Amino acid sequence: DADVTQTPRNRITKTGKRIMLECSQTKGHDRMYWYRQDPGLGLRLIYYSFDVKDINKGEISDGYSVSRQAQAKFSLSLESAIPNQTALYFCATSDSRTSGRASYEQYFGPGTRLTVT
Amino acid sequence: AQSVTQPDIHITVSEGASLELRCNYSYGATPYLFWYVQSPGQGLQLLLKYFSGDTLVQGIKGFEAEFKRSQSSFNLRKPSVHWSDAAEYFCAVGENTGNQFYFGTGTSLTVIP
Repeated sequence: DADVTQTPRNRITKTGKRIMLECSQTKGHDRMYWYRQDPGLGLRLIYYSFDVKDINKGEISDGYSVSRQAQAKFSLSLESAIPNQTALYFCATSDSRTSGRASYEQYFGPGTRLTVT
Repeated sequence: AQSVTQPDIHITVSEGASLELRCNYSYGATPYLFWYVQSPGQGLQLLLKYFSGDTLVQGIKGFEAEFKRSQSSFNLRKPSVHWSDAAEYFCAVGENTGNQFYFGTGTSLTVIP
């Protein structure tokens, strides 16, 4: 979805390096999410944010941190990357202010493929 | 705990054949159910969703899904598959608070001519 962009799209880094993945959205949504996708495991939630001051841990937050710099920007950091963090990372958004249950729909970015060697 | 099971890791169908992808969920309250499709190198696109009401829901690209509460299932169907349907398909359960999604492990679909 062009309304949700992720940078970089691909990144190779070495063990122990700090890396930041960025997500920006022009949808005007208040909620943002970070997931990682691993083969055979589907998508698992890392962190989610309901607004700039509300950040919550997801299922697999260990080894990750996030920053919600503005309503439209949500960054994911790996302070010291390790090989088992090699995965495809997705950012997603949703809008809690949408009337009805349509607010539960999530819109995904194109993903960042991260390789840690 | 909430969970989603997609028992078929990979399915191969011939173009023009019918398709059914299975999804079972575990959730204590009324589930919000979704099917997403992921084409190679792409993000996830919403195919369809179920919140309440008619248990047969129609989505984009000719897909439909049926919610069966008694079987805790939300299977995805398409009467006639096209080569462009080759992709990975994910079933997801959303908490009725809107807080979190839980995804299945995905089913990879191959379409042969």
